[in-house]
Order: sequence, then structure tokens, then C-alpha cells
Amino acid sequence: KAGVTQTPRYLIKTRGQQVTLSCSPISGHRSVSWYQQTPGQGLQFLFEYFSETQRNKGNFPGRFSGRQFSNSRSEMNVSTLELGDSALYLCASSLPSGTDFSYEQYFGPGTRLTVT
Amino acid sequence: GDSVTQMEGPVTLSEEAFLTINCTYTATGYPSLFWYVQYPGEGLQLLLKATKADDKGSNKGFEATYRKETTSFHLEKGSVQVSDSAVYFCALTSLNDYKLSFGAGTTVTVRA
Repeated sequence: KAGVTQTPRYLIKTRGQQVTLSCSPISGHRSVSWYQQTPGQGLQFLFEYFSETQRNKGNFPGRFSGRQFSNSRSEMNVSTLELGDSALYLCASSLPSGTDFSYEQYFGPGTRLTVT
Repeated sequence: GDSVTQMEGPVTLSEEAFLTINCTYTATGYPSLFWYVQYPGEGLQLLLKATKADDKGSNKGFEATYRKETTSFHLEKGSVQVSDSAVYFCALTSLNDYKLSFGAGTTVTVRA
């Protein structure tokens, strides 16, 4: 079974631009989460989607948004990029069920975003 | 809110040495606990998990026991290899929270 895929893997943008990152979950997984990883702040939760609905959102400004499509693929968008948005953006998918409280998440390789 | 505290690194060991990484947590209720590992240039891989008190998670020679009385989930391995060099993250999730809360990560380097 293919793992979580993220595109693109690397991206360089200029301050003020916007960017869209894409994530395809493991086949059959309906939950997709996004995390930002930086050396200073570590791993921080951005948002989670299940069946096209956002169920939880982290403490990030409104410039960060996301969505999920009917095939469970997800995109996140960052508008008006700032230098501090440079980070590794990780997507994770999960197969939550009513009987599995463990909520294991499987991560993709990430998109490395550099803002100049 | 939920939080995870990990021992700070970096940790440098010789091959076949014993590894332990401390992890304690704060959470309401009874969270599920995880250890993830990140190799250079890669995403996170689930190493092991435990979903209730006294559960022991194990994988690839690594073990961690869910200790509710001390709110801890320390990672141990009896004999490390060079290939175990990576960053290790302790994490938790609470019921209906739909997110992982991570510790700061511990960088482990194993020398031959």
C-alpha cells in the first residue's frame, strides 16, 4: 500500500506570495492532518480534516487555511508569506474508527518551504 | 492543554550501549501515547504506541511503558546500533482531540 505522498517536496517562494501544498493520504484513510516543523518551535499542529470537515485547528493565523476533497486528498494554503513561514510542512493520514482510540497517524515526507 | 516534555538532547552513545529517553506528559483524561522517529530528510515514522495505563509498546527492540501514576512514557533500547541515529519524538493524543501534541524531540547519535 502506498504511503502518504506530498507535493511538491521543495518550494522556494518570495515574501508576500501565496503557496498551496498538496497531500494524498494512504488509500482508505479519511482523516488528514497538517503540521509545521521548525527548529525553533518544533512540531506544531495546523489543522485536521475528516470527510471534508475541519474538526480541529491549531493556533495559527488566518493566513493558513486548508481543505479536504471528497477523495480525502487535502491541500493547505498559506497566503501573504512571511519569512517565518519557512518550515517543513508535514501531512499525516489516519484511519479513525469508532473502536480505535489510538488514532495512529502516518506521515508523509513533508514539503520543505523556503520563503526569501 | 495537553503537553509533552522530553529530555533535552543531543544524546551521543556508542554502539551496543543502553538508550533511555525520558518523556512525561500533562493531559486531561487518559491519552494515547506514542513515540515517533525521524531520520534525516524524512517524515516521521511511528515507532510504538500505548493506549492505556500499564500498556507496553514495543518495536525494533525499543520499548516504552505507559505509567499513569508518574505520567511518563520513557523510551528504552537495550543495545543501540548506528542505524538508530535519528530524532525521537514523544507524542500524545486525547479522545476526540484529533491531533498529536509533540515533545521537542531528542537527537540521538550512535557512534561505531
